[in-house]
Amino acid sequence: QITLKESGPTLVKPTQTLTLTCTFSGFSLSTSGMSVAWIRQPPGKALEWLAIIYWDDDKRYSPSLKTRLTITKDSSRNQVVLRLANLDPLDTATYFCAHPTDVYGEGLSWGQGTLVTVSS
Amino acid sequence: SSELTQPPSVSVSPGQTVTIPCSGDILRSRFACWYQQRPGQAPALIIYQDNQRPSGIPERFSGSNSGSTATLTISGSQPVDEAEYYCQVWDSSVVVFGGGTKLTVL
Repeated sequence: QITLKESGPTLVKPTQTLTLTCTFSGFSLSTSGMSVAWIRQPPGKALEWLAIIYWDDDKRYSPSLKTRLTITKDSSRNQVVLRLANLDPLDTATYFCAHPTDVYGEGLSWGQGTLVTVSS
Repeated sequence: SSELTQPPSVSVSPGQTVTIPCSGDILRSRFACWYQQRPGQAPALIIYQDNQRPSGIPERFSGSNSGSTATLTISGSQPVDEAEYYCQVWDSSVVVFGGGTKLTVL
């Protein structure tokens, strides 16, 4: 059974850097083809893909946020970390991590999400 | 970059059939996935590879993809189906979502 859970601060100040951790089980990021993605959703708005990291450390970022995002992995701890720099109140959102599930044609299995508010 | 377009909202009466379209040129060459998101919950996969259902998803949910439009169909809609629905494709290792469709069952 695949599970993912996001953790991190619920309130951060503008200009600070947000660090979120995704802790997962049921698969290994050391296995060929595996990956973990981050997606966010501002209150009342649509899903927005942020970044993805692959088993071989290949990384892709949303073009609109590329300069502010960093994604890393610790395969031994089954964790993926997302950092978003220079926060703005517009970054207030629920942040989800997700795993493309090979059994389901790379459809995403999701964590529960964590709400992050950016406010002074 | 690729774009997927969905209508902001659709409505259906209980027991009736509703379709939710998702359009974009990339759909001509990619499989579509569909997610259901109820208020306060994470999205959940309901259709993958255009028309496949994960285990546990009711048969009233079905999908298709033709030309540049993928379609989610809910047959015999139930009040519990009231939710936001998102289509999604993969584009060169990047995830692309549609803007979401709010389904009202009334």
